[in-house]
Amino acid sequence: GESVGLHLPTLSVQEGDNSIINCAYSNSASDYFIWYKQESGKGPQFIIDIRSNMDKRQGQRVTVLLNKTVKHLSLQIAATQPGDSAVYFCAEIHYNQGGKLIFGQGTELSVKP
Amino acid sequence: ETGVTQSPTHLIKTRGQQVTLRCSSQSGHNTVSWYQQALGQGPQFIFQYYREEENGRGNFPPRFSGLQFPNYSSELNVNALELDDSALYLCASSLAVAPETQYFGPGTRLLVL
Repeated sequence: GESVGLHLPTLSVQEGDNSIINCAYSNSASDYFIWYKQESGKGPQFIIDIRSNMDKRQGQRVTVLLNKTVKHLSLQIAATQPGDSAVYFCAEIHYNQGGKLIFGQGTELSVKP
Repeated sequence: ETGVTQSPTHLIKTRGQQVTLRCSSQSGHNTVSWYQQALGQGPQFIFQYYREEENGRGNFPPRFSGLQFPNYSSELNVNALELDDSALYLCASSLAVAPETQYFGPGTRLLVL
């Protein structure tokens, strides 16, 4: 069935450390992957995306890595800050399925000051 | 902020009742997708509307229905509410040609008693 899963439900890091959030996906035909951040009481907020023909993409303090061989996606956050505390979701898109997003369960990131 | 608005923010209903949730798209976006997010879970795709017609549907029963209006705003209707319908309902707007750029609203929290 459709699924995008996450390895760890919670992650606790010290402020200033780097964070790595992992995601496993099941459909090798996925065209696009997106990381979302969801703070309490808010909708998911776009962080960074990557096309299936790429291995790595960098943004401001965030990097997404895609390993298609093992169907694994990761989000790296550099110098994690308290404001980074939230639930992080990976999602995939299949363009031939109308562009619906398929989300995983999420990882809750907690940043200790 | 994404420019996507939803109303109401919170709603309490009883089993068997009907509910209508509303979403206003970000300016310029012609596609609206609805997602259901149960507590502690990732959002699940309900359906998508483009040009006022349903353009893809997830694994939800027919009592979940929707509308899209000429101004691209949208409604989600749920009939015969069940306890398991309690969730955060999210809408996301996008351009049909760029489904990867889905911007989410803050959601409507529905509680069914």
